[in-house]
This record gives sequence, structure tokens and C-alpha cells, in this order.
Amino acid sequence: GAVVSQHPSRVICKSGTSVKIECRSLDFQATTMFWYRQFPKQSLMLMATSNEGSKATYEQGVEKDKFLINHASLTLSTLTVTSAHPEDSSFYICSASRGFYNEQFFGPGTRLTVL
Amino acid sequence: DQQVKQNSPSLSVQEGRISILNCDYTNSMFDYFLWYKKYPAEGPTFLISISSIKDKNEDGRFTVFLNKSAKHLSLHIVPSQPGDSAVYFCAASATGTASKLTFGTGTRLQVTL
Repeated sequence: GAVVSQHPSRVICKSGTSVKIECRSLDFQATTMFWYRQFPKQSLMLMATSNEGSKATYEQGVEKDKFLINHASLTLSTLTVTSAHPEDSSFYICSASRGFYNEQFFGPGTRLTVL
Repeated sequence: DQQVKQNSPSLSVQEGRISILNCDYTNSMFDYFLWYKKYPAEGPTFLISISSIKDKNEDGRFTVFLNKSAKHLSLHIVPSQPGDSAVYFCAASATGTASKLTFGTGTRLQVTL
């Protein structure tokens, strides 16, 4: 149990385009979903926290107009990187929480490369 | 401001021996701690956790120790196996922060034959 999927696993796009990444909790309802990014050899940095049906809470320094988060249901959250630039190239990981003991279950991640 | 630190970026241990991974934190509000294992290009996998009301939690080959006064926790893996080779992250959260986790920088463990 507690499986989280992400789609796509890898995406290459041109500078200026938008990219949508989906995160799904497959066998449980997630009260909260989180979006992280990881640069090479660095820690996971929390970008935003989202609860179903409400606006996402963004961490300091994360542009909410650039990284649009939609949490449409208890099993689906999407992250859209708008007008992507090469510096947005990174590994994006989502996680979902059932709210039990703060445990988060992570998706396999999405490698975004912006040319 | 790195609130959770893993000062050893890498560790090499022989198969069968004990692996000890360390983690320090600065925020005294943290009351729940987790260890995750991560392979390249994959999401982290939950290993073991500990609440601040305990000082030890054990699950098979994995034991986590918490020293609240020193704001230090460690993960012990014994015996270490080649399949344990991965990057290990410690993470911390505080009650009332909606499960928000703060991650350390990770320690790459290599278990050699």
C-alpha cells in the first residue's frame, strides 16, 4: 500500500513552453501533497504544500505564478512549470501524506530538462 | 539556513559491518524524525522514524537513536548489505506544521564486498 506515481518520468522541452507533471496516490487518499525539487548532489527542497480544494502554500522564494499547483482531488495533484527556462531544469518529486505520523510517501520523480 | 544537517556526504562500509549515519538539527520545535533511502532518479523510500518521546526505535536491521539534548540522531544498519548502497536522508517535522518535512543534505552509503 501507499503507492505514489508521477507522470511523466522524464520530459525535455524548449525554453518558453509549459510543462505539466502529475502526481497520483494510487491506493490511498492523500490529505496533503507536497512538491519538492532536487538539484544534483543536493537535498530535497520543499517548493509547496497543497491540500485538496484549497490554494497551495508556497515556500519562501518559490514563484507561485511560475509553478502552478492544482490539487483537484484527494488522489491527484499537478505541478505546471510555466514558461520554463534552462534554470528550471531539475528533478521534481511529489509526495503524499495520509496525515498519520507525518509520514510522506514519495513518487518516483520527474526529470525536467529545458533546452 | 540548514536546519537539518548531515555532515558526512559519503560513507563506505564493508559488507557485514555496521553502518552509522548521523544527523544533527537546530530547530528545537522538531518532534518527529524520519530516515529515507534514495536511489538515483527515484523518489525517497521511507525507512524508519522516531518520535521525540522515544530515544530508540528498531526495525529489523535498522535502528534509529535520538539524543534530544544534543539535537542529534543516528541510523544504524547492521549487518550492512550491498543492497543498502544508496543516499540516505534524514528529515524532521514539527507538530502543527501539516506534515511538512525538512530534509538533510544526504549521506551516500557504499557497502563494499
